[in-house]
Amino acid sequence: QVQLQESGPGLVKTSETLSLTCTVSGGSISSYYWSWIRQPAGKGLEWLGRIYTSGGINYNPSLKSRVTMSVDTSKNQFSLRLSSVTAADTAVYYCAREDYGPLRSAFDIWGQGTMVTVSS
Amino acid sequence: QSVLTQPPSVSAAPGQKVTISCSGSSSNIGNNYVSWYQQLPGTAPKLLIYDNNKRPSGIPDRFSGSRSGTSATLGITGLQTGDEADYYCGTWDSSLSVEVFGTGTKVTVL
Repeated sequence: QVQLQESGPGLVKTSETLSLTCTVSGGSISSYYWSWIRQPAGKGLEWLGRIYTSGGINYNPSLKSRVTMSVDTSKNQFSLRLSSVTAADTAVYYCAREDYGPLRSAFDIWGQGTMVTVSS
Repeated sequence: QSVLTQPPSVSAAPGQKVTISCSGSSSNIGNNYVSWYQQLPGTAPKLLIYDNNKRPSGIPDRFSGSRSGTSATLGITGLQTGDEADYYCGTWDSSLSVEVFGTGTKVTVL
């Protein structure tokens, strides 16, 4: 079955850029939507954005100026970059497959999550 | 931004039923399908319900979902100790152009 695995630095310095990669195994990354979602400790879920393997991208407007997503179909990976990070960006970051269509969306497969701490 | 409101906690004895409400508006629940997620302690969320009331393969029929107007409800019957978790609703908000999640509800089995 399809599995997702996040990877990247667990510690990022304030004002620098957070970079994470999600590797898709057990299936093809093509023809699906892929999202990033984060969760600060003890708090709720925040959607960061989605990317479609054909190139369509939607970002959370609250982060739009700082977030960049990309996909590498040859490696079955997609990535997140979040610039100018502050302590408020400290969270567990999840990648997820999104079953997305007109009026509907559901995150049906999730990675285990990776903790990212922002500190000076 | 949590534009979907859920009760902070619900509880019941084993074998009983609980319901979790998710209140939104016409720009989200009122016009888009709702999904529900279960997050066991220390783990990633898991999809329980999609398209308001459909269950993915492997999810027992003890879990059910419904939507009425600008609110949605998750029901859990035959409550088990393994159901102790945080539950989140989610949907697309057409006005904000963002996927939104509920504030989360902690289910406790007494």
